[in-house]
Amino acid sequence: EIVLTQSPGTLSLSPGERATLSCRASQSISANSLAWSQHKPGQAPRVIIHGVSSRAAGIPDRFSGSGSGTDFTLTISGLEPEDFAVYYCQQHGNSPVTFGGGTKVEIK
Amino acid sequence: QVQLQESGPGLVRPSETLSLTCTVSGDSISGRYWSWIRQPPGKRPEFIGYIYHSDRGRTDYNPSLKSRVTISVDTSKNQFSLKLTSVTAADTAVYYCAMVPSLWGQGTLVTVSS
Repeated sequence: EIVLTQSPGTLSLSPGERATLSCRASQSISANSLAWSQHKPGQAPRVIIHGVSSRAAGIPDRFSGSGSGTDFTLTISGLEPEDFAVYYCQQHGNSPVTFGGGTKVEIK
Repeated sequence: QVQLQESGPGLVRPSETLSLTCTVSGDSISGRYWSWIRQPPGKRPEFIGYIYHSDRGRTDYNPSLKSRVTISVDTSKNQFSLKLTSVTAADTAVYYCAMVPSLWGQGTLVTVSS
């Protein structure tokens, strides 16, 4: 199975700062099958990015995704208070679907 | 707007069967891949499996759970279900139904304990 490694584990930033989250795969991910989701306690996880770089419906344009092959990035340009959460990358092109270990974006 | 809602017991005894149902609202259950994902406390999410009703109910399960998992669909109720047999404490987790990769349910905590 494809192992996804996210870094850093925790990102301590202030509102307004830029966040850069990394997701590295143990082998190349097929057909743009890489997504990012935002997780907050007590809420349904929300998909932010699918297909590597496509924002999900209703997601503001401060969120962007990029990458190819085995290296992927989620960038949040200008953190808003509601963006502090845990983010997971996920690949669904190879069976089984797998998830990264998560990056917690916390308020500095 | 498609919404997913999990339901089922929050406590299951060791060696018994965990059973959960996901109700799909806002869309037909036909023609899409419907999945179950779980997240043990402090760990990353783990894919359990999916069902694709429109292809003779084709399923794909995580090899780590395959011997204990069944996912099925009830089109009359627009629901899909998860059964996990012979549970142990290691199966304690928040269980999510999902439409990978686009949509997750709220999740439901299932604790395995006597």
